[in-house]
Amino acid sequence: SQTIHQWPATLVQPVGSPLSLECTVEGTSNPNLYWYRQAAGRGLQLLFYSVGIGQISSEVPQNLSASRPQDRQFILSSKKLLLSDSGFYLCAWSLSSGRKFFGPGTRLTVL
Amino acid sequence: EDQVTQSPEALRLQEGESSSLNCSYTVSGLRGLFWYRQDPGKGPEFLFTLYSAGEEKEKERLKATLTKKESFLHITAPKPEDSATYLCAVQATKQGAQKLVFGQGTRLTINP
Repeated sequence: SQTIHQWPATLVQPVGSPLSLECTVEGTSNPNLYWYRQAAGRGLQLLFYSVGIGQISSEVPQNLSASRPQDRQFILSSKKLLLSDSGFYLCAWSLSSGRKFFGPGTRLTVL
Repeated sequence: EDQVTQSPEALRLQEGESSSLNCSYTVSGLRGLFWYRQDPGKGPEFLFTLYSAGEEKEKERLKATLTKKESFLHITAPKPEDSATYLCAVQATKQGAQKLVFGQGTRLTINP
């Protein structure tokens, strides 16, 4: 069966510090991978998606970037965090259908 | 622009008290409508996909229905463990398989 992992589970970082969140998927090959952010009281916002190694599409301009160095690995990064980057970050995967499977999430607090 | 609006924002019920959650959507062409359940501090868990008006799906105490403008998630005789936030999302045909537009969710609380 397929599983998706995210780490860390929680993170508290000062403004201006770098960020690296990692997501890995097991039990499937060549998945589509996604990064979403969920701010308090708001819906899930798609940040990035990837249909293959090295292929990244950005949905909204922001202070973040994404990379896919391996088929089942997706990384979310920032060089300098802003207060507005705080939120709950979710990684997800899918195959050909729209149905997406979400990871456990990372709670990021920027102080 | 594709939009999803869920109502109510929050709903509190007594155990056994049936009710419905609403998801209204506007989309250029519907490829699919998805319902997810999200527990506090966790990722969303997939419940249903609906593809065309008139379609219905059931799972335990939950039943999802779809019309051309909205979807309902009916909860029959709920139990405290049904407490969660329920998210609705649509996938438009022009977006391909990549983008789901999510509503803000309905926070459901079932009191014993």
